[in-house]
Amino acid sequence: QVQLVQSGAEVKKPGASVKVSCKASGYTFTSYGISWVRQAPGQGLEWMGWISAYNGNTNYAQKLQGRVTMTTDTSTSTAYMELRSLRSDDTAVYYCVRYGPGGVAAFDYWGQGTLVTVSS
Amino acid sequence: DIQMTQSPSAMSASVGDRVTITCRASQGISNYLAWFQQKPGKVPKRLIYASSSLQSGVPSRFSGSGSGTEFTLTISSLQPEDFATYYCLQHNSYPYTFGQGTKLEIK
Repeated sequence: QVQLVQSGAEVKKPGASVKVSCKASGYTFTSYGISWVRQAPGQGLEWMGWISAYNGNTNYAQKLQGRVTMTTDTSTSTAYMELRSLRSDDTAVYYCVRYGPGGVAAFDYWGQGTLVTVSS
Repeated sequence: DIQMTQSPSAMSASVGDRVTITCRASQGISNYLAWFQQKPGKVPKRLIYASSSLQSGVPSRFSGSGSGTEFTLTISSLQPEDFATYYCLQHNSYPYTFGQGTKLEIK
C-alpha cells in the first residue's frame, strides 16, 4: 500500500533552517511528483511547491522563492523540503503529498505531517 | 494566480441535512479540482478528484460537480462523522491554490 512517512517534529530558532524528509513506499517513486503543503495553527492549507521525482523539476510558491528547496533521492525513494531563514510565521504542520498527472493521482496520499515550531 | 473563493466559510447543519459547499475559481481550471475533508488534528483526506470522481472508499453521499469556474461539493444526508472542515484545491496551473475552507458544525 502507498505510504508517505515523514520525519519527526522540529523546534528551530528564527533564522535557522529545517529539512523535512518524506519516505515513499508502495509505488514507483519516479512515476509521480511530490507536493508540499503546510498548515499554520488554526489556519487553512497552503501549497508550497512541487517536485518531479522523475527529473527533479520544481515549481515553488512565489512567496517562498529563495527560501525553499525541494529535492528527491531516488535511491531511497525519499523527498526532502528545506526551508531557510525561518520566521515565526513558518510555524506549521508540513505535509508531503503524492501528485500524479491528470486527476486520479493528484493529492491522493498524504504523509502524517511534521510539526515545525519556530521560536526563540 | 488563480484565486479559489470557497463559500460559506462556516455553516451549521443537522444530521440528515443536505449540504452544498461552493468553490469559485477566478479563471477557468477545466476539471482540475479536488475536495478534501479534514478533522481536527488529522491529515486531510481526499474525497473527490477531477471535479466529480469519488475517491475509492468514500461514501456515496458525497458528490462533486462543476467545470470551468464553478464547483460544488454536496453531502446528500449529513452523518455525525461528516462534521469537519472541507477544502477545495485547484491544480490546473501553478501556483496551486486551496480555498479558505468551510467549517461544518453541528446545529
